[in-house]
Amino acid sequence: DAGITQSPRHKVTETGTPVTLRCHQTENHRYMYWYRQDPGHGLRLIHYSYGVKDTDKGEVSDGYSVSRSKTEDFLLTLESATSSQTSVYFCAIGTGPGTEAFFGQGTRLTVV
Amino acid sequence: AQTVTQSQPEMSVQEAETVTLSCTYDTSESDYYLFWYKQPPSRQMILVIRQEAYKQQNATENRFSVNFQKAAKSFSLKISDSQLGDAAMYFCAYRIPSGTYKYIFGTGTRLKVLA
Repeated sequence: DAGITQSPRHKVTETGTPVTLRCHQTENHRYMYWYRQDPGHGLRLIHYSYGVKDTDKGEVSDGYSVSRSKTEDFLLTLESATSSQTSVYFCAIGTGPGTEAFFGQGTRLTVV
Repeated sequence: AQTVTQSQPEMSVQEAETVTLSCTYDTSESDYYLFWYKQPPSRQMILVIRQEAYKQQNATENRFSVNFQKAAKSFSLKISDSQLGDAAMYFCAYRIPSGTYKYIFGTGTRLKVLA
């Protein structure tokens, strides 16, 4: 168990409102990732982090921002939620160069 | 850019039979890692099997094995003696071996197991 917790697990929000999803790890792993999962698209990388305050964009970063002020927390923010951002969001960590990604439980976000 | 392709959106298999899920990828690297994940209805992402590209031997985990063809950039998953509990989404993934260490995922194959 890599000790990853996502919060909230479920959220319904209105179009145009800001939303922040939190990913918390209990170990000091350097690499953290945010993915979204949509039918027919698999998991697509939104943003990732390779250290405190070191973040970069993934393939579907438009409309999202991230912050990592502490090793253990990686926040994903939707500045102004849109219906196209309705999805399941996963946080993951990478524990070493040759290891698999460990995932959080996922957050189902619905934008109405 | 690295890509991962799963060309079978859905597969079905009879209980106790064998099924193979396909995955191809594109990379210019010579050393990398490949993974298969299982996602049951609970949404949890579970590692099924891992393959290191520099190892010639195909990875095996109980009823799960891979056919890794490095030259062809193919990484298929074989499930033997299929069980009802194997029904799930299966994702193939590639990890970039340096720099960002990003994980690239395919679009998934939904496996149905028929009793």
